[in-house]
Amino acid sequence: EPEVTQTPSHQVTQMGQEVILRCVPISNHLYFYWYRQILGQKVEFLVSFYNNEISEKSEIFDDQFSVERPDGSNFTLKIRSTKLEDSAMYFCASKGASAETQYFGPGTRLLVL
Amino acid sequence: AQTVTQSQPEMSVQEAETVTLSCTYDTSESDYYLFWYKQPPSRQMILVIRQEAYKQQNATENRFSVNFQKAAKSFSLKISDSQLGDAAMYFCAYLREYGNKLVFGAGTILRVKS
Repeated sequence: EPEVTQTPSHQVTQMGQEVILRCVPISNHLYFYWYRQILGQKVEFLVSFYNNEISEKSEIFDDQFSVERPDGSNFTLKIRSTKLEDSAMYFCASKGASAETQYFGPGTRLLVL
Repeated sequence: AQTVTQSQPEMSVQEAETVTLSCTYDTSESDYYLFWYKQPPSRQMILVIRQEAYKQQNATENRFSVNFQKAAKSFSLKISDSQLGDAAMYFCAYLREYGNKLVFGAGTILRVKS
């Protein structure tokens, strides 16, 4: 069964460093998403992406964040200058054209020191 | 803005018994989708079941079923014949029609006792 994959599974970085989180969505999906979950808190929407552009973003998704689909398979989330409060689990999700269900990847656990 | 409320931070169930997890939501939309996701200790988000608001019939997936009460804006999950592998955090989530953003509740931790 096709699934969303994410790399790395864990990432530790120093405050102020740039990180890139990578996702490979399900191959025939056209809609892509990033969510984050700070430990012990709700899962929060960050951004949605369709047709090579952002279709919606939350207040969390400020200028420090960017997304890109650099090729036909990868979908990336970049944090330019990480802060301590960026420590969280980051989930990528994807959705097909004719359905409403978003399928999640296993997440990347980001720790900013 | 839509909100999702899960009023039970934690629930316990004996193996092979039945448990119901509660979820209420607030929306002014008439067409939307509701989901239950399971998050085991590995923290991966796994879809359990989904419900379209325009469907009166409650969704069922094997041992998992929902009680969808549109007027009351309630969407509970029933797990029958509970198994040890059902132990996880369960999230209720809302998606408006043609929407992008899943809105999640705070989650309910389900513990299964052997």
